Amino acid sequence: EAGVVQSPRYKIIEKKQPVAFWCNPISGHNTLYWYRQNLGQGPELLIRYENEEAVDDSQLPKDRFSAERLKGVDSTLKIQPAELGDSAVYLCASSLDLGGAYTGELFFGEGSRLTVL
Amino acid sequence: GQQVMQIPQYQHVQEGEDFTTYCNSSTTLSNIQWYKQRPGGHPVFLIQLVKSGEVKKQKRLTFQFGEAKKNSSLHITATQTTDVGTYFCAGSSYNQGGKLIFGQGTELSVKP
Repeated sequence: EAGVVQSPRYKIIEKKQPVAFWCNPISGHNTLYWYRQNLGQGPELLIRYENEEAVDDSQLPKDRFSAERLKGVDSTLKIQPAELGDSAVYLCASSLDLGGAYTGELFFGEGSRLTVL
Repeated sequence: GQQVMQIPQYQHVQEGEDFTTYCNSSTTLSNIQWYKQRPGGHPVFLIQLVKSGEVKKQKRLTFQFGEAKKNSSLHITATQTTDVGTYFCAGSSYNQGGKLIFGQGTELSVKP
């Protein structure tokens, strides 16, 4: 079974440029997450989708970040314009959640490493 | 808001020594998960704890969930070089609807 697929793996851009990341979750997983991980830190949640609905986007900097999950499957995360502080690894994860307070096991993709110059 | 803290941030051990990382939450957790991230890799799920006082073992790894469901620990007996990586705990609170908050991680290095 294929895991979570992310692209691109690496991206180098100049500040003020736009960038987009794509994620294809594990088939059948209803919940999709975008996390940002800075060097030496734990993953920080940006947005969580249950099917196609964004149920938690409180940590997403909405002035420059946007995300979508059309048809409740693939997802894209966009930054426009990028700033120097956006350099990080952007991790996508998916899980099969049955509802309630418990979170299912997260399966992470390889991540997209962004460098903003 | 909910915070999850881990200590220590770094741990350097000689191969064969034991290792423990501790995780503390500012709120009562519904469940806690542990992940391992190898250098240059992505987090990989190790285990989930749900019950108060729960203890689970995976070979040389022992995971505990505190009685108050606000803390957890991971203990590795007789470390090996393959244990190298960063260990993260991640918890979700009853009032957060399943939102998983990660700790800062404990980076383990093992000297052969």
